[in-house]
Amino acid sequence: DTGVSQDPRHKITKRGQNVTFRCDPISEHNRLYWYRQTLGQGPEFLTYFQNEAQLEKSRLLSDRFSAERPKGSFSTLEIQRTEQGDSAMYLCASSFYPANYGYTFGSGTRLTVV
Amino acid sequence: GESVGLHLPTLSVQEGDNSIINCAYSNSASDYFIWYKQESGKGPQFIIDIRSNMDKRQGQRVTVLLNKTVKHLSLQIAATQPGDSAVYFCAESFSIQGAQKLVFGQGTRLTINP
Repeated sequence: DTGVSQDPRHKITKRGQNVTFRCDPISEHNRLYWYRQTLGQGPEFLTYFQNEAQLEKSRLLSDRFSAERPKGSFSTLEIQRTEQGDSAMYLCASSFYPANYGYTFGSGTRLTVV
Repeated sequence: GESVGLHLPTLSVQEGDNSIINCAYSNSASDYFIWYKQESGKGPQFIIDIRSNMDKRQGQRVTVLLNKTVKHLSLQIAATQPGDSAVYFCAESFSIQGAQKLVFGQGTRLTINP
């Protein structure tokens, strides 16, 4: 296991289409986080899971966004009816709780909505 | 060279010099802080972290200083190298048990001049 993996690395979609991103965390990490980063800004928290339970969601996560982690391993983030304002880098991170080490980010999925 | 983080988002230093990147965090209850390095097109890379019960922590060529009185965090990089050129973010977290969501600062772009 070499780190947090995200797929795809890049996604271009037309406005109104649905997109889904995948994140595979570090295998022993039980916490998984989703962040969004726009150009020139720091990442902003969207939501996180502990095992399969989604414990917190940001108000940034509108009802067009849904995240799942069905078996407590990989996670998916789906955006329905994409808008141009959804264009951003979507980052996934994982960590181990309660020891709380290794808050590690993946390389992200860059979404462009045209 | 030294920056004031949010107010001076770029810092240029000569190769071999020491650099100091500053960050003012917002939540006095934050108890965990991380510095990340982000290169173009990549996710944030963990550099060093510090808990609020410490005021200094050292890593390889990096030192983080925490001043809770004025809610200030700094990252010192010794003997900078061309590979240190990147955007550096500080992140804070408030949690009772383990880091949950991170709140990122704006970031500082560090450029190493040959």
